[in-house]
Amino acid sequence: GAVVSQHPSWVICKSGTSVKIECRSLDFQATTMFWYRQFPKQSLMLMATSNEGSKATYEQGVEKDKFLINHASLTLSTLTVTSAHPEDSSFYICSARTRGGVSEKLFFGSGTQLSVL
Amino acid sequence: KQEVTQIPAALSVPEGENLVLNCSFTDSAIYNLQWFRQDPGKGLTSLLLIQSSQREQTSGRLNASLDKSSGRSTLYIAASQPGDSATYLCAIAGSSNTGKLIFGQGTTLQVKP
Repeated sequence: GAVVSQHPSWVICKSGTSVKIECRSLDFQATTMFWYRQFPKQSLMLMATSNEGSKATYEQGVEKDKFLINHASLTLSTLTVTSAHPEDSSFYICSARTRGGVSEKLFFGSGTQLSVL
Repeated sequence: KQEVTQIPAALSVPEGENLVLNCSFTDSAIYNLQWFRQDPGKGLTSLLLIQSSQREQTSGRLNASLDKSSGRSTLYIAASQPGDSATYLCAIAGSSNTGKLIFGQGTTLQVKP
């Protein structure tokens, strides 16, 4: 089956630093990728939609200058948390949508646990 | 605006019991509904997907139903096992099928041996 690789799986960083998370579709081309965030004991909330070759679309309340998304190829999207602060500590997970065809099948990465000290 | 609610938030049952997890949604204009399993600190595993035109889907000991008119879905787990312990998430894809999912807050299930 289709696989989405996300890494790192966990990262600890100091406040003020930037962290990059990668989401890669291994055996299919993903024209669209989605980035979600999950705080403890809460559900996944969509942060942004990433389309290959164009600017990401951010959900209301998500700062685009803080959460930089790049989708430079059909198999790779990156999320960079800039100047991370403790309140950014969360579980971040991506999903990828196949190109055309069976769009109702979304494939999720394994998630990244970010802890900002 | 679509809202997805899952009840109960947590459930603890002895091994072997059959159980039902509930999911309700406010907007019946959906493309599909999925049930996922999430283990602590891990990603999501898709369990069952029900298209808007379908009423139920089955996979092994799992059965999911969908009633769009009442805005409800249930996940039935038969003969529960300790390995079923996890958080179960219900997610809705809107009728425009953009690929965005709206998730419920999940039900955390513990199956005791």
